[in-house]
Amino acid sequence: GAVVSQHPSWVICKSGTSVKIECRSLDFQATTMFWYRQFPKQSLMLMATSNEGSKATYEQGVEKDKFLINHASLTLSTLTVTSAHPEDSSFYICSARTGSRFGGYTFGSGTRLTVV
Amino acid sequence: AQTVTQSQPEMSVQEAETVTLSCTYDTSESDYYLFWYKQPPSRQMILVIRQEAYKQQNATENRFSVNFQKAAKSFSLKISDSQLGDAAMYFCAYGSNYQLIWGAGTKLIIKP
Repeated sequence: GAVVSQHPSWVICKSGTSVKIECRSLDFQATTMFWYRQFPKQSLMLMATSNEGSKATYEQGVEKDKFLINHASLTLSTLTVTSAHPEDSSFYICSARTGSRFGGYTFGSGTRLTVV
Repeated sequence: AQTVTQSQPEMSVQEAETVTLSCTYDTSESDYYLFWYKQPPSRQMILVIRQEAYKQQNATENRFSVNFQKAAKSFSLKISDSQLGDAAMYFCAYGSNYQLIWGAGTKLIIKP
């Protein structure tokens, strides 16, 4: 089946530095990628939707300049957390739509970000 | 706007018993999907079962089945013969052409 490989699985960074999270679709072309943030014991919160070759669409309240999303190819989407602060510590998950309709989604394994 | 409601923050069931997780949703669309995802402690999202709105027959996947009541906008998940490996967070989700809308989740505890 369709697989999305997400890296790194976990990362610790110092406050003020930037961190890049990658999601690669291994055996299909991901025209649309969704980026989520998940707080402990909570549901997934959509941060942004990216389509290959175009600018990402951010959800209300999500800082575009802090969470940079790039979807330059059909197999790679990246999320860069710029000038990270402790409040950015969270679990980040990417998801790609599979198939021509909207009945299929595959998820990356997630990235646990800790900012110290 | 579409919404998904899971009213059971936590459920527990004895191993080998049957448990039903509730989900209701609200939408004005006619073409959509409904999903149940499982998130174990590893936090990998795993698709349990999905239902296409225009299909009247309830979806089943081995021990997992749904009760899809379109008019009532209800989409419950029944897990039969519960196993220890079923312990996880379960999320109900609504899928349209734009994105997935998520419920708050239900934590399922399996008692040995």
